[in-house]
Amino acid sequence: AQSVAQPEDQVNVAEGNPLTVKCTYSVSGNPYLFWYVQYPNRGLQFLLKYITGDNLVKGSYGFEAEFNKSQTSFHLKKPSALVSDSALYFCAVRDRTGGFKTIFGAGTRLFVKA
Amino acid sequence: DAGITQSPRYKITETGRQVTLMCHQTWSHSYMFWYRQDLGHGLRLIYYSAAADITDKGEVPDGYVVSRSKTENFPLTLESATRSQTSVYFCASSESGRSANEQFFGPGTRLTVL
Repeated sequence: AQSVAQPEDQVNVAEGNPLTVKCTYSVSGNPYLFWYVQYPNRGLQFLLKYITGDNLVKGSYGFEAEFNKSQTSFHLKKPSALVSDSALYFCAVRDRTGGFKTIFGAGTRLFVKA
Repeated sequence: DAGITQSPRYKITETGRQVTLMCHQTWSHSYMFWYRQDLGHGLRLIYYSAAADITDKGEVPDGYVVSRSKTENFPLTLESATRSQTSVYFCASSESGRSANEQFFGPGTRLTVL
């Protein structure tokens, strides 16, 4: 069965420090991979996606993600965290042959302390 | 440019009542989706639509009905609400074409079934 795992319910980091939000997946073939962010009382906003090519993908607000095929991971990273980055982050995968059906992880809450 | 809107934003209803959640998008996106967000489950797909008059079931369709008579609207109806349908509901849309396209989410409807 296809699945997405975000092993950490919450990640705490100090402002200015690098952050990593982890995501691993179990999907056949080479899926499309996405990261979304959700601020309180808002819908999800797209951050970045991996389609093909370079394993390091750059996205909005200084975020980037590293695709690792052998480890089936797509970790979200940022070199220097901001307090305003505090939010709920979702990893999502879509099978290239499965149309638009997308599987979302359970989400990781990022808390950046000033 | 409103993008994608949902109404109502908050709704309280009673068990057994019919409830309709509205979704409207101004981009003329072909694809539209309904998700529910529950703690610990991330987002789960209820129904999706590839175009007007074309709908299909997602992961958790039981107890829900959708229609899409116009491209811009995708209402979700709970025919006889149950307490287990208490959740936050998100509508999303996506452009046609490559399935690598990201989704754009509405602000959500928080539904409470008493």
